[in-house]
Amino acid sequence: EIMMTQSPATLSVSPGDRATLSCRASQTISNNLAWYQHRPGQAPRLLIYGASTRATGISARFSGSGSGTEFTLTISSLQSEDFALYYCQHYINWPLTFGGGTKVEIK
Amino acid sequence: QVQLQESGPGLVKPSETLSLTCAVSGYSISSGYFWGWIRQPPGTGLEWIAIINHSGSTYYNPSLKSPVTISVDTSKNQFSLKLSSVTATDTAVYYCARKALTSHAFDYWGQGTLVTVSS
Repeated sequence: EIMMTQSPATLSVSPGDRATLSCRASQTISNNLAWYQHRPGQAPRLLIYGASTRATGISARFSGSGSGTEFTLTISSLQSEDFALYYCQHYINWPLTFGGGTKVEIK
Repeated sequence: QVQLQESGPGLVKPSETLSLTCAVSGYSISSGYFWGWIRQPPGTGLEWIAIINHSGSTYYNPSLKSPVTISVDTSKNQFSLKLSSVTATDTAVYYCARKALTSHAFDYWGQGTLVTVSS
């Protein structure tokens, strides 16, 4: 099973600032990585797949990068609706696994 | 617009079977894709449980302690999850979701349903 580790667990950011979230895989997954946003009480929303491709309708504020074992989600100029939990997930093989999540909170 | 809606009991007794159904609208399950279940226990992150495609091919997360069965009913355009012999650790919000063929990620999700395991 591939372990996904996200850091930091919590990120305090001021509105309008940039947030950088990290995700590390325990073995290489090429670019088989997705990022999701999860607001309390809502369904998770797909942001990025293929490590760097934005899903349909996702703002250009969100960008993903990385390959192999190290990945980054960057949120430029944080808006109020961006304060949420973010998860990475690999899909290179079974079982699919998620990272533990990063909570982006208002500083 | 693809929509998924979970349904099932909100309370299950320990050692009993947890049964959930996901009704899909806006897309025919028999047309393709994988359809899966993911859960979020209180205070923790997301955990993938199982997945099935339109022809019945299944994959399960071997980390789950409770026996799991996923099934699909294309005539009703829905798929289901059963967890047997549940314990308190199976208490979670359960989500159903579609895994896309092109992106391979979960692109559509249900709103989730809270299932509590308690006597």
